[in-house]
Amino acid sequence: GAVVSQHPSWVICKSGTSVKIECRSLDFQATTMFWYRQFPKQSLMLMATSNEGSKATYEQGVEKDKFLINHASLTLSTLTVTSAHPEDSSFYICSASSGGTSGRGLLRNEQFFGPGTRLTVL
Amino acid sequence: AQSVTQPDIHITVSEGASLELRCNYSYGATPYLFWYVQSPGQGLQLLLKYFSGDTLVQGIKGFEAEFKRSQSSFNLRKPSVHWSDAAEYFCAVGSYGNKLVFGAGTILRVKS
Repeated sequence: GAVVSQHPSWVICKSGTSVKIECRSLDFQATTMFWYRQFPKQSLMLMATSNEGSKATYEQGVEKDKFLINHASLTLSTLTVTSAHPEDSSFYICSASSGGTSGRGLLRNEQFFGPGTRLTVL
Repeated sequence: AQSVTQPDIHITVSEGASLELRCNYSYGATPYLFWYVQSPGQGLQLLLKYFSGDTLVQGIKGFEAEFKRSQSSFNLRKPSVHWSDAAEYFCAVGSYGNKLVFGAGTILRVKS
């Protein structure tokens, strides 16, 4: 299958600083990328959906000014956690798909997941 | 709202024994259903998916799942578990807006 990388794999930062996480599709063009957050012993919760060249669509309850998502190219999306606080500590996972966004047809195009980034805010 | 329930948080099976992981979903239309596996340090890997047609779906690594509309279930099965199958397994349903809604996951432990 296709490969999606994330960088860094883990990061520790001080409260109040910003952290950028990169998600790259290595061998395909990702029209759509998704960002998830996973709390310990809990499921993945979708944070936002980003389409190349467009503004990201955030899920209800996700602060778009805090979690800045940029999908500037077909192989790269970034998530920036601004003014991070300890409650932002979590495991952040991206996925990428080469499909379009019409109806549920996108789901017929598999989402390929990155290995995740562990963020710890002190 | 769409939701997925995985009733078992942990399951332990002996190597060579059969396995069934339960998944129940709530969805208003014909669901798109998925099973993913997550190993430590690895991204989620798709095991199998159901969109339509034959309700018994074959996947990778010897896994299969059966869609039962009457029970709103999509249970994952494997006839003989290997130690390398120890991981966390997530069931997911495709939701409106091309999103995936995941269950809480089931951690599989394999004892030798």
